[in-house]
Amino acid sequence: DVVMTQSPLSLPVTLGQPASISCRSSQSLVYSDGNIYLNWFQQRPGQSPRRLIYKVSNRDSGVPDRFSGSGSGTDFTLQISRVEAEDVGMYYCMQGTHWPYTFGQGTKLEIK
Amino acid sequence: QVQLVESGGGVVQPGRSLRLSCAASGFTFSSYGMHWVRQAPGKGLEWVAVIWYDGSNTYYADSVKGRFTISRDNSKNTVYLQMNSLRADDTAVYYCARDLYGSADYWGQGTLVTVSS
Repeated sequence: DVVMTQSPLSLPVTLGQPASISCRSSQSLVYSDGNIYLNWFQQRPGQSPRRLIYKVSNRDSGVPDRFSGSGSGTDFTLQISRVEAEDVGMYYCMQGTHWPYTFGQGTKLEIK
Repeated sequence: QVQLVESGGGVVQPGRSLRLSCAASGFTFSSYGMHWVRQAPGKGLEWVAVIWYDGSNTYYADSVKGRFTISRDNSKNTVYLQMNSLRADDTAVYYCARDLYGSADYWGQGTLVTVSS
């Protein structure tokens, strides 16, 4: 199975400051069609997960443009340009290139 | 709008069975694959199973293979998860989610399964 490794696992951030979460896969996530099926999800306290980013860098409808995704091959990053209070929660990367799909351990974003 | 509503969770003894349901609305259910993903209390997300849009193919996590079965009824817009030989480490909130492009774009609110004697 593909192992997804996130860092850091805990991320205290000052309001208005940027934040960055890394996700590394144990093997390439390039699918045979040339796409990279790497996703980012946000889970606010007490809520279901919500997809933020798909195929590395495509933002879902309604997701603020302060969220952005980048990366290639095995190294990926979720960036928040200016953290707001509503961004508190857990963030997970997930690969959908290889079966079984696998998630990272999660990163807990909190306000410093 | 897309809605996914899970049901069927509850408290069950180890070794027993339970069937979860996920009722879908707001989209053409028969055109999409569907996932089950679970989250143990205080833990991260674990992908469990997927079924193709027409039921022709399924995949499972190793942790549930041989014990859980995913199925669907496109006439009822519903996906199921039959869980047999339940163990304490199957205790979790179970979410269904719609599959799209190697992803899960919409999620339900989840249903809690507690395996305990």
